[in-house]
Amino acid sequence: DAGITQSPRHKVTETGTPVTLRCHQTENHRYMYWYRQDPGHGLRLIHYSYGVKDTDKGEVSDGYSVSRSKTEDFLLTLESATSSQTSVYFCAISPEGGNYGYTFGSGTRLTVV
Amino acid sequence: SQQGEEDPQALSIQEGENATMNCSYKTSINNLQWYRQNSGRGLVHLILIRSNEREKHSGRLRVTLDTSKKSSSLLITASRAADTASYFCATDANDYKLSFGAGTTVTVRA
Repeated sequence: DAGITQSPRHKVTETGTPVTLRCHQTENHRYMYWYRQDPGHGLRLIHYSYGVKDTDKGEVSDGYSVSRSKTEDFLLTLESATSSQTSVYFCAISPEGGNYGYTFGSGTRLTVV
Repeated sequence: SQQGEEDPQALSIQEGENATMNCSYKTSINNLQWYRQNSGRGLVHLILIRSNEREKHSGRLRVTLDTSKKSSSLLITASRAADTASYFCATDANDYKLSFGAGTTVTVRA
C-alpha cells in the first residue's frame, strides 16, 4: 500500500533462528503497529509504537521484540522462531492511534519449519 | 482477547443483493471501524463511526452503531463480485490501539 512497505514479503526460516521483519513508512505517522493474522483468530496485536523509542506490548507479545529508532522504521524480531509463530504479519500505521483509520502494509508470510 | 466478534462467519449472496454483517463488542468504545481484506492482501479501512454517532454512509456502505447493545452492523447494498472479501470490525477503547474481530467472509456469486 502507498506509504507503507513491509519486507520481506515471504520468508521460510528454521526453528530456533532469529528473524527480523521490517516495516517502513513514508507518511510520518506517529503510531505503528505489528499484528499477526491466523485462521479463526483475526488480527492480534503483538507490539505497537507511539513514537521513536516508545513501544508497548500487545496481547500476544511473548517471543517477540520490537525497535523503533527512526519515525519511519518499526522492526519486529522473533528472538528464537518457533512453529507457533508461523503466521502472516501485518504492519499498520496511524497518525492518531485508534482515533483514526489504520493504513496496512501488504503483509509478510512467515513459515517456521 | 478480541474485543469484537463478527456474525456470521461466512456469507454467500447473489450479485445485486444486499449483504449484512454484525459486530458485537464487550467494553465501552471511542469508535468502531470496518475494514475489508481481499485474499492475500492487507486490510483496507472502509469507515469509522464514533460512539456518539448512530449511522454513517459511504457510497454503498451503511454502518450503524448501537452502544446500548454494544453492537454494529455493516450493510453493503447492490453487491458486486468485487465485494468478495473478508470484512473485519475493529474497536478503539481510547487506548491508542484497535482490537479486531475474526471477520466475516463474504462471497458474491455472479
